[in-house]
Amino acid sequence: QQQVKQSPQSLIVQKGGISIINCAYENTAFDYFPWYQQFPGKGPALLIAIRPDVSEKKEGRFTISFNKSAKQFSLHIMDSQPGDSATYFCAASIGPGSWGKLQFGAGTQVVVTP
Amino acid sequence: EPEVTQTPSHQVTQMGQEVILRCVPISNHLYFYWYRQILGQKVEFLVSFYNNEISEKSEIFDDQFSVERPDGSNFTLKIRSTKLEDSAMYFCASMGLAGQETQYFGPGTRLLVL
Repeated sequence: QQQVKQSPQSLIVQKGGISIINCAYENTAFDYFPWYQQFPGKGPALLIAIRPDVSEKKEGRFTISFNKSAKQFSLHIMDSQPGDSATYFCAASIGPGSWGKLQFGAGTQVVVTP
Repeated sequence: EPEVTQTPSHQVTQMGQEVILRCVPISNHLYFYWYRQILGQKVEFLVSFYNNEISEKSEIFDDQFSVERPDGSNFTLKIRSTKLEDSAMYFCASMGLAGQETQYFGPGTRLLVL
């Protein structure tokens, strides 16, 4: 059972453009939704995270939008830069108080062209 | 900034051999995890570890796998008899308290089973 579905698989955006990555989840017990950024040969690094009691969270150029009723959340990267070229994973877990197992989406490879 | 470290960065082994992957979590963290990522695929949860015992494991984590925290700093993953399909990047992660929820990932060990 694929608990977190992510799309698109890949994305090419011009410098200065907006990258949008979407995720949908099935388990309504999930209550923590992080996004991780991964560069080739490196481990995933937390980018931004949201809990379902808010509909939007913004940190710099990165924004998470969350739709609890639709069980969907998305990452928006504003003013995309070549340094943002990486693979982005959405994830979900049940917490607090749980063991924190992260269920990852399949990943989106983002390429920002100069 | 504290970080999770992993050794070795690369390991090549013959099928049927035992391997031990090592991790040093962030020093005051209490929850420890192993994930794996087969090339080009998503990150998959293997096992979580808290208070010196396994708290949760996935169906991937069969009898060939074991984890240990032999001292106050190291966290190891042992694969008793490696298979070709064990070839993957293995990531260690740690988390401070359940309420904090952020898992910090190490750089990974790339395991190649021949």
